[in-house]
Amino acid sequence: GQQVMQIPQYQHVQEGEDFTTYCNSSTTLSNIQWYKQRPGGHPVFLIQLVKSGEVKKQKRLTFQFGEAKKNSSLHITATQTTDVGTYFCAGRASGTYKYIFGTGTRLKVLA
Amino acid sequence: NAGVTQTPKFRVLKTGQSMTLLCAQDMNHEYMYWYRQDPGMGLRLIHYSVGEGTTAKGEVPDGYNVSRLKKQNFLLGLESAAPSQTSVYFCASSYSLTGDNSPLHFGNGTRLTVT
Repeated sequence: GQQVMQIPQYQHVQEGEDFTTYCNSSTTLSNIQWYKQRPGGHPVFLIQLVKSGEVKKQKRLTFQFGEAKKNSSLHITATQTTDVGTYFCAGRASGTYKYIFGTGTRLKVLA
Repeated sequence: NAGVTQTPKFRVLKTGQSMTLLCAQDMNHEYMYWYRQDPGMGLRLIHYSVGEGTTAKGEVPDGYNVSRLKKQNFLLGLESAAPSQTSVYFCASSYSLTGDNSPLHFGNGTRLTVT
């Protein structure tokens, strides 16, 4: 079945440093979504990527979708303490109705 | 709007007991999902539904059953709870699979402990 791997599992950075998490799917995706979960909270939608090679930006966050639509990345520039949380990718394979989540990357930002 | 509401918020069960988790959404969403979240495992899909009266198996369906008799409600049942089902359960819903209405809206979760 479809599998979505995400690395790294954990990342500790000093405030102001950059951060990147990578997502790889075993199957070609129709679309991929990114979510953020704060400690004790529920996942909250960040963005969706649909097109091959697509790049989207939200302030300090940059999201990329690979050319083959099997991988994606989230890059945060100059991290802040408010970026703390776990970031998940969720991919939906073509012809399916289900979103399979990656294992998540837990980000800690040291002030 | 309340969004996605899950009940109960917390529950402790003994091995072998049964229970039902309720998910209710007031956004007229077609698609509903049940996930479980365990440390280091991310969110794993248990069952999902693409509309009223339909259900389908996800990645980890064993030991769970679901029903979607009404469009707004998606119930997750544990017939005979096991310690391995100790987890945080999240319900999510979306209006469509693609486009601007495809993001998943999550409930606040149910923390279940099976002793």
